[in-house]
Amino acid sequence: EAQVTQNPRYLITVTGKKLTVTCSQNMNHEYMSWYRQDPGLGLRQIYYSMNVEVTDKGDVPEGYKVSRKEKRNFPLILESPSPNQTSLYFCASSGPSWDGYTFGSGTRLTVV
Amino acid sequence: AQSVTQLGSHVSVSEGALVLLRCNYSSSVPPYLFWYVQYPNQGLQLLLKYTSAATLVKGINGFEAEFKKSETSFHLTKPSAHMSDAAEYFCASRTPGGGNKLTFGTGTQLKVEL
Repeated sequence: EAQVTQNPRYLITVTGKKLTVTCSQNMNHEYMSWYRQDPGLGLRQIYYSMNVEVTDKGDVPEGYKVSRKEKRNFPLILESPSPNQTSLYFCASSGPSWDGYTFGSGTRLTVV
Repeated sequence: AQSVTQLGSHVSVSEGALVLLRCNYSSSVPPYLFWYVQYPNQGLQLLLKYTSAATLVKGINGFEAEFKKSETSFHLTKPSAHMSDAAEYFCASRTPGGGNKLTFGTGTQLKVEL
């Protein structure tokens, strides 16, 4: 089944403790992206990647890092999480014809 | 910079009534436009998309949307609401040739009442 898989689905952590949210897609897609969803703000793009080793900042990149060492994986790294990064995070991927993003099921992160 | 505006953060309709969710875009060139649906505790699912072909686009679950350049709108409609349509709906736009940046509206929560 074609899908984008995120892990974990839920995560509670403490301020300052580094964490990684993994994202993997099995569709051989070139484009991948991370979004955060907050009430009343919709989805905002954090980082995106056009292909392996090609990444760029989205609208809200502060406090986040990404890497794209393999085509299928696009992890999101929070080096020193803070409470304002409490949010619902989505990974998404798309092929070159850009029929629209396929989204993962989301990761609900709480930073206390 | 492109932007997407969804009028009405909450819309309530009766089962069997027309569903109309509004979306207006702001872009220097006609963008590609999308509607996504999000059910509780799930990711976003693509409902339909406009990519400069036919202006009336039909999607899944009986939804459709019409691209109106003169009104810069891409409203989502469904003739008869069903209880299972209750969800949050997001309109999004992408500038052709604009990489993979998808700009989302703030969402509309649809409630369907008996």
